[in-house]
Amino acid sequence: EDQVTQSPEALRLQEGESSSLNCSYTVSGLRGLFWYRQDPGKGPEFLFTLYSAGEEKEKERLKATLTKKESFLHITAPKPEDSATYLCAVRDNYGQNFVFGPGTRLSVLP
Amino acid sequence: ETGVTQTPRHLVMGMTNKKSLKCEQHLGHNAMYWYKQSAKKPLELMFVYNFKEQTENNSVPSRFSPECPNSSHLFLHLHTLQPEDSALYLCASSQETPGELFFGEGSRLTVL
Repeated sequence: EDQVTQSPEALRLQEGESSSLNCSYTVSGLRGLFWYRQDPGKGPEFLFTLYSAGEEKEKERLKATLTKKESFLHITAPKPEDSATYLCAVRDNYGQNFVFGPGTRLSVLP
Repeated sequence: ETGVTQTPRHLVMGMTNKKSLKCEQHLGHNAMYWYKQSAKKPLELMFVYNFKEQTENNSVPSRFSPECPNSSHLFLHLHTLQPEDSALYLCASSQETPGELFFGEGSRLTVL
């Protein structure tokens, strides 16, 4: 059974203080690992897809990396507008379900 | 604007009511999903439709009844719900390749 865990559950950063969020997964044949951002009361917004170990993707202050067991979302010099819940999900090669982790709630203080 | 539109955004209903949630996608995708998001819990898959055919039903109680008349529209019919069904219901769509899910803004359901 595919499983996704995320840590930490919540993270408070000062503006400009870089950090990383972790997503650990077990999956029977990874089709893709996905990162999403979710603001309160809204649907998740797609950020990145990673397909194989060693792959990296960047967007503004965010960089996602992937190994065979985990993915990191690095946030460089965050701003208050980066405050949100960040969700990680995996999809395997055998079905159409995306299994989501519980998320990391990020707060960036000015 | 994500290309996936959900209505209504908020819904309050009694346990004996019947209501429906609607989802429409303008992305040309072939798969549509219903997810449930409750406080302090990960997103839970409810149903998947691929080319209008239901391909997954994640042991959802029969008081939730999905309908997919075509690849662009998805409904979730609700009847005799329980207070524990109160949650954010999210619709999403995807294409087989690359396969990312694109979500709507969600329908916040409160069952009294």
